[in-house]
Amino acid sequence: DTAVSQTPKYLVTQMGNDKSIKCEQNLGHDTMYWYKQDSKKFLKIMFSYNNKELIINETVPNRFSPKSPDKAHLNLHINSLELGDSAVYFCASSQGRGSPLHFGNGTRLTVT
Amino acid sequence: DAKTTQPPSMDCAEGRAANLPCNHSTISGNEYVYWYRQIHSQGPQYIIHGLKNNETNEMASLIITEDRKSSTLILPHATLRDTAVYYCIVRPLYGGTQGNLIFGKGTKLSVKP
Repeated sequence: DTAVSQTPKYLVTQMGNDKSIKCEQNLGHDTMYWYKQDSKKFLKIMFSYNNKELIINETVPNRFSPKSPDKAHLNLHINSLELGDSAVYFCASSQGRGSPLHFGNGTRLTVT
Repeated sequence: DAKTTQPPSMDCAEGRAANLPCNHSTISGNEYVYWYRQIHSQGPQYIIHGLKNNETNEMASLIITEDRKSSTLILPHATLRDTAVYYCIVRPLYGGTQGNLIFGKGTKLSVKP
């Protein structure tokens, strides 16, 4: 009955590979987000989707692309992985404007 | 950049109240004060938010000064499980970036037995 779930929890891969991280929420929320937490523990927003429409896109390399097959899912695809992509990626969701975000427990990506 | 300033760390004895301060002197009229915490190896957890009135829920109380330039999160009876990094965030209710939680460095609260 996890509200926001991400898979996998850990992902180790080599430079140049393409990988995906999946996120699902069962809260019925209409907006989903991806955040990145780097080695210095700073949390920064990457993307958000509202009703299948991208509404926030910070200065993230175009190697990263969010894909939302439906309101309950927002997957993160990463092409041509680089060492600097190593981080913990968090998915989150919220309902409507201004409501609190609910976060998943993160996916730790390590690029070797 | 985060619009809030918090002490980097605090200690609290188990069972005592933990009072976590936050300065947000440039807060706008349409911005709420949000508090989240991140327990080690977990995702951020929502605690409470408020605009100008004091708020209380089952987790904590939020005291906002009358000029709204600072606030205090109060955990009334801290337990060891409250050890975490606590983030104070100002967030606009409306607008294209309303979901854009900007996290600062937060306060690392250590609850000690």
